[in-house]
Amino acid sequence: GAVVSQHPSRVICKSGTSVKIECRSLDFQATTMFWYRQFPKQSLMLMATSNEGSKATYEQGVEKDKFLINHASLTLSTLTVTSAHPEDSSFYICSAFRNTEAFFGQGTRLTVV
Amino acid sequence: RKEVEQDPGPFNVPEGATVAFNCTYSNSASQSFFWYRQDCRKEPKLLMSVYSSGNEDGRFTAQLNRASQYISLLIRDSKLSDSATYLCVVSETGGGNKLTFGTGTQLKVEL
Repeated sequence: GAVVSQHPSRVICKSGTSVKIECRSLDFQATTMFWYRQFPKQSLMLMATSNEGSKATYEQGVEKDKFLINHASLTLSTLTVTSAHPEDSSFYICSAFRNTEAFFGQGTRLTVV
Repeated sequence: RKEVEQDPGPFNVPEGATVAFNCTYSNSASQSFFWYRQDCRKEPKLLMSVYSSGNEDGRFTAQLNRASQYISLLIRDSKLSDSATYLCVVSETGGGNKLTFGTGTQLKVEL
């Protein structure tokens, strides 16, 4: 069964609106979770590292005010895409390590129209 | 230059064939190496870790050459179910740190 659960799996939203994506570790605690984005035919690119109880660490070129990350508990991290635009349409995936293995959520396909 | 480079393919092979994928990485500080499999519109799943001495898991064999910063994956006796994108992944330190993904190599196994 799933080790990391991500919700929703698919969302369509209008330009200018915000979308929240949840990532949960199901049977373990994750002080750190990772958020990736994947455009068609491209590799997964790390957007940010979510840290429980502290601020997220963003990769170069990722706007922290646009991609809000909250890691309020040891099993839940959320990514909110604020004021979404069509160019934000992508596949967003979270991951967390259980022991030394990385597990990924099922991904969220975001389409901004 | 990309941190992790792979031939994107696609590799179209008949069932039963042997196929090899190559990957190079640019960060000499990389310490951990993996092959992940990603099916279309799905999340990546770990296929196998890659160790310095090389390792095998059934029909899959992974090799690492640190001097050349080169990783390979060999699939023997290809099955239709092997059709997927294979991602070469490296990490600077062991478990818990961020992973850097290659763009992936697409494999299509045909009858």
